[in-house]
This record gives sequence, structure tokens and C-alpha cells, in this order.
Amino acid sequence: EVQLVESGGGLVQPGGSLRLSCAASGFTFSSYWMSWVRQAPGKGLEWVANIKQDGSEKYYVDSVKGRFTISRDNAKNSLYLQMNSLRAEDTAVYYCARDSAEAVAGWDDYWGQGTLVTVSS
Amino acid sequence: VIWMTQSPSLLSASTGDRVIISCRMSQGISSYLAWYQQKPGKAPELLIYAASTLQSGVPSRFSGSGSGTDFTLTISCLQSEDFATYYCQQYYSFPQTFGQGTKVEIK
Repeated sequence: EVQLVESGGGLVQPGGSLRLSCAASGFTFSSYWMSWVRQAPGKGLEWVANIKQDGSEKYYVDSVKGRFTISRDNAKNSLYLQMNSLRAEDTAVYYCARDSAEAVAGWDDYWGQGTLVTVSS
Repeated sequence: VIWMTQSPSLLSASTGDRVIISCRMSQGISSYLAWYQQKPGKAPELLIYAASTLQSGVPSRFSGSGSGTDFTLTISCLQSEDFATYYCQQYYSFPQTFGQGTKVEIK
């Protein structure tokens, strides 16, 4: 059974940092692109970042470029999102999702339960 | 950036109704489109990928069509468990983008 479990969310002050983790199980983690998607309270979904199977390609939404870093550890079956210089508008539930097993990114077929990040003083 | 216009944003319907949700792209994306369902407090669930391919385990009353710039999600006979919010997503190019969402509520 595919499982994705996020952790690391919480309350942080503006300008602060947080590192989210996603523990994957039930599939060959190293064979898949992985995604982070967020959802602000009461709002729609927003794609945040993708990372290729071997970490050689990373893509970000413009609003987080230079502040967030997506990474993975295939030996630990884990995905990460390092978030720096956090702003109030980064407040959201952050979802980890399994993406494509192909050479290019695609749709997200499995999602974690999400972890809430609140940026507030 | 590929912009997406999803409509309607709110749809009131009754059990048994046929429901159609539209997603229009600012530029052609071939068939690189997915549809998701999200219920309150839950993670999104994949319904359809490649514009018209039903994800395993998804009921056949859900169907997707379209290519290029215009896409639709159809629920042929709305069931009580289908009242939720639906999102389209393009994965043709980065940044990937989602539609604004369509909330299907009980009439």
C-alpha cells in the first residue's frame, strides 16, 4: 500500500524557516518524480515544486523561488521541503504527492494527509 | 505560465443529475490534464489523467474529454458521495497549475 506521511509543520514567525519531510512507503520511491502542493485556508490548490527521480531536475512556482528548496533522499525514501524567509502568504496545508514514473513529470496519483504551516507573529 | 479558467466555481445539483465542469487553458496543452476530487479536510484524490483516462478504482460515472485548450469533466449520474470540490491540473509545462476549483453542492 502506497503511503505518504508528511511532518514538520507548525507555527513560525515571518522571516523564519521550517523543514517539511515526507516519508514514503509501499512503492519504489527512487522511480518516481515527487511533488509538493499547498492549499491556503479556504483556498484552492497551488503546485509548489517538483523533483525528478534522481534529484537532477527541480522546478518551483515563482512565488517560492530562492526561498524554498525541494530535495530527496532515495536511501531513506524521503522527500523534503526546506522553507526559508517565510511569509504570511505561505500559510497553508502542504501536501506531498507521488508524481510520474516517467522521464517527465505528470499527474499526482497518491497524496499524503498534509501538514499545516502557519506563518504568524 | 499557462493560465487556467475553470467553470463554474459553484454548481448546485441534485442526486442523479448529469454534471459538467469545464477547464480552459490559455494555450494548448495536448492532453496533459488531470482532474482531482477533494472533500473537506481531506487530501485531493486523482480521478482522471491524460484528459480522459480513468484512474483505477474511480467509478465509471466519471469521464473526461478534450484536448488542446478545452476540457470537461462529466459526472453522468451524481451520487451523494460526489458532493465535493473538483480541480483540473495541467502538467504540460512548469509551473504546473491548477484550476480555481468547482464546488459541487446539494441543490
